[in-house]
Formats: sequence, structure tokens, C-alpha cells
Amino acid sequence: GAVVSQHPSRVICKSGTSVKIECRSLDFQATTMFWYRQFPKQSLMLMATSNEGSKATYEQGVEKDKFLINHASLTLSTLTVTSAHPEDSSFYICSAREAGTGANVLTFGAGSRLTVL
Amino acid sequence: GNSVTQMEGPVTLSEEAFLTINCTYTATGYPSLFWYVQYPGEGLQLLLKATKADDKGSNKGFEATYRKETTSFHLEKGSVQVSDSAVYFCALSADSGNTPLVFGKGTRLSVIA
Repeated sequence: GAVVSQHPSRVICKSGTSVKIECRSLDFQATTMFWYRQFPKQSLMLMATSNEGSKATYEQGVEKDKFLINHASLTLSTLTVTSAHPEDSSFYICSAREAGTGANVLTFGAGSRLTVL
Repeated sequence: GNSVTQMEGPVTLSEEAFLTINCTYTATGYPSLFWYVQYPGEGLQLLLKATKADDKGSNKGFEATYRKETTSFHLEKGSVQVSDSAVYFCALSADSGNTPLVFGKGTRLSVIA
């Protein structure tokens, strides 16, 4: 079945630094990938829709200059948290839909836990 | 807009007990409905889905039936196991295109031996 790989699974960084998270569809092409953020014991909040070859579409309230999304190829999208602060600490999850699968079934990465000190 | 409401947890059950997690939705048109499961420290995995009214999704002993008349998609399992302990998310997709899923808030299930 479809597999989405997300890397790194855990990252700890100092306040003010930038962190890049990669999301790869391993055995299928994904023209669209979605980035979610999950707070402790809460649901997933959609941050942005990443479109291959074009700019990402951000949800209301999500700072596009802080959360940079690049979708350079049909199998890779990256999320860069710039100038990270402790409040950016969270679980970030990407997902992708395999084309031609009918119902809008999304395959999720295993998530990346970011801790900003 | 589209939304999903599911029962708040946490839910704690003894092994072999019957499980029901309620989920209702609001959507225009004919959405597809999903249950995802998140085990501790992991991402989300698709548990089951249903794409039209009266469809029943099933997997690993879990079932859910798409009820258009009650706009519901309740998750059930006849006999839970300790390994079923996880957070369960109900979700909908408004169409079959490249639209993101809308999730409920999740229900944490703990099964004790």
C-alpha cells in the first residue's frame, strides 16, 4: 500500500533556529500534500495544502513566513519552521493522497515531534 | 461548513467489552467518512471508510455504518483488546478531489486487562 515517510521523527532545537521536516511519498506520486499540526491531546489542525510546483495554500491564522512549505517534486514536500520558538513545539504530521484511489483516502506520515528549547 | 463531532473521551473499558464511539457530521453534498487510529507516539492510520449512504466499513473487528438519515458514522467493536488502546479520529472528506480531511477532536480509548 501507499507509504508516506516523514523525517525527522523527533527534533530538538534552540529558540531562534530553523528546522526542516521532510515528507516523502515512497511508492506513489502526490501532487498535493497536507500539513497538519497536533497539540497535546487535541485533534489535528490543518496548516496548509502543499501543491507540487506552486505556492502552498495556508489556512487562516497560519503564518506563511514562519511555516515555509516547498513542494519541489511529486514525491517530496518540506515544512520549514523558521526562527522557532517554544510555542512552535508540537507534533507535525503530513499526509498525501494517492492519485486514482477514488475516495479521498489520505496516507499519513508517522509525524515529527518538534521541541523548541 | 463541514464539521465532525465525536464523543469526548477518555473512554476506559475492560478487555472484551463492547465499544461504541459516536460520530456525527455536518456536510453539504455526499461526503466520504473515515475512522483513523493513532497509536501512542505514531501518526494516523486509516482504520476504515465508507463512501456512500448505508455502506459499512470494517477492519480488525471494527465496524461503522454510514447513516445519512442521522448523519452518523459510529464506530463499534464487539470485544476490545488491550492493543486497541489508542486515539480514534472520525473524519470526512467533502469530495473525491484533493481536499483535506476534516477531523473530529479524537477519542482516547484505554483498554485494561
